[in-house]
Amino acid sequence: GNSVTQMEGPVTLSEEAFLTINCTYTATGYPSLFWYVQYPGEGLQLLLKATKADDKGSNKGFEATYRKETTSFHLEKGSVQVSDSAVYFCALMRAGNQFYFGTGTSLTVIP
Amino acid sequence: DTEVTQTPKHLVMGMTNKKSLKCEQHMGHRAMYWYKQKAKKPPELMFVYSYEKLSINESVPSRFSPECPNSSLLNLHLHALQPEDSALYLCASSQGSSGQKNEKLFFGSGTQLSVL
Repeated sequence: GNSVTQMEGPVTLSEEAFLTINCTYTATGYPSLFWYVQYPGEGLQLLLKATKADDKGSNKGFEATYRKETTSFHLEKGSVQVSDSAVYFCALMRAGNQFYFGTGTSLTVIP
Repeated sequence: DTEVTQTPKHLVMGMTNKKSLKCEQHMGHRAMYWYKQKAKKPPELMFVYSYEKLSINESVPSRFSPECPNSSLLNLHLHALQPEDSALYLCASSQGSSGQKNEKLFFGSGTQLSVL
């Protein structure tokens, strides 16, 4: 089947710390992979995506690389800010526009 | 316009009420989705419309009734809901090109529903 597994949260970091949120997936074929971010009281916003192996998605200082050999798509940021506090969801898309979301990782950045 | 607009933002209803959630997009997207999200949980897919036809129903109870009047609008009609149906209901859209690698979901801000 198709599924996404994310690291358990919550994650609390100090400002300017390095962030890694792990994500692994199970899928047949070659899914597209996504990271979405959800701020309190809002819907999900696309953060970045990658559509094939070794692609790197990047946006707002966040990066993730599509690793087929390890079936992973870990999210990283070199220096987090208080404004990055949110819930981050890893997701994959299979044929038929079916999107599967991980359980989400809550990030809190403290000054 | 890259927005998905949902109304109302908040809704409180009794178990005997009938209400509707509305969603609108003007990006020319041909796929539209309803998701349900409980607190601290990921979105759960409810329905997918593709080219105004219902293509996926994830075994949702009949007290939830989707409707897609045209390619820009998506409604979710609610009737005889239960307190456990209280959640954030998210609408999303995508281009609708099945299997295309540039597909991605655009979400609305959601309707926070409370069933009393």
